[in-house]
Amino acid sequence: QKEVEQNSGPLSVPEGAIASLNCTYSDRVSQSFFWYRQYSGKSPELIMSIYSNGDKEDGRFTAQLNKASQYVSLLIRDSQPSDSATYLCAVKLRPSTDSWGKLQFGAGTQVVVTP
Amino acid sequence: DTAVSQTPKYLVTQMGNDKSIKCEQNLGHDTMYWYKQDSKKFLKIMFSYNNKELIINETVPNRFSPKSPDKAHLNLHINSLELGDSAVYFCASSQGTGGVIQYFGAGTRLSVL
Repeated sequence: QKEVEQNSGPLSVPEGAIASLNCTYSDRVSQSFFWYRQYSGKSPELIMSIYSNGDKEDGRFTAQLNKASQYVSLLIRDSQPSDSATYLCAVKLRPSTDSWGKLQFGAGTQVVVTP
Repeated sequence: DTAVSQTPKYLVTQMGNDKSIKCEQNLGHDTMYWYKQDSKKFLKIMFSYNNKELIINETVPNRFSPKSPDKAHLNLHINSLELGDSAVYFCASSQGTGGVIQYFGAGTRLSVL
């Protein structure tokens, strides 16, 4: 079982609509959760981080975390063509005696915003 | 001024060759990482160094040898390159092992022919 799972897409979203991306993780001791955006041929860039249950909003982005369901999501409101990219979900495990809390990535969801 | 810089950007080489990728960060961070992204876009950690000490070493063939001469630099040397090594390699850094990776390098696209 993959540790961080995302639907690979592509997720086609009309311009101005809401894009909804989902991510599930397998390790219950996961501590921190992140969304990265990666444009084709570029490096990932951090767009959201969330640490506690509930919603966190930043501009047009909202991250939602439900630790009981081991589920984290990202909403992109008023989607723009410039939002077309691959969105990577990342989960950081709580450090333990045999783990330094490494960051695990999902395979990413490709989002295509159509004008 | 680039936060995390890696060189070269592209590397095309023959099977069996040895190559190195260099990374430098000017953020004052004490933890650096190497990630590999394969053709399916899956980004997987390879190594992490904290204050020049190796702290994460995933199941990577021992043909891959990281070296951290100081906190600001992390290099990756690959011996006897194989076709399966073709990927994009990203360097990253954070402050502390629990820190957030905010910046990745631009990536090195390695093609083994």
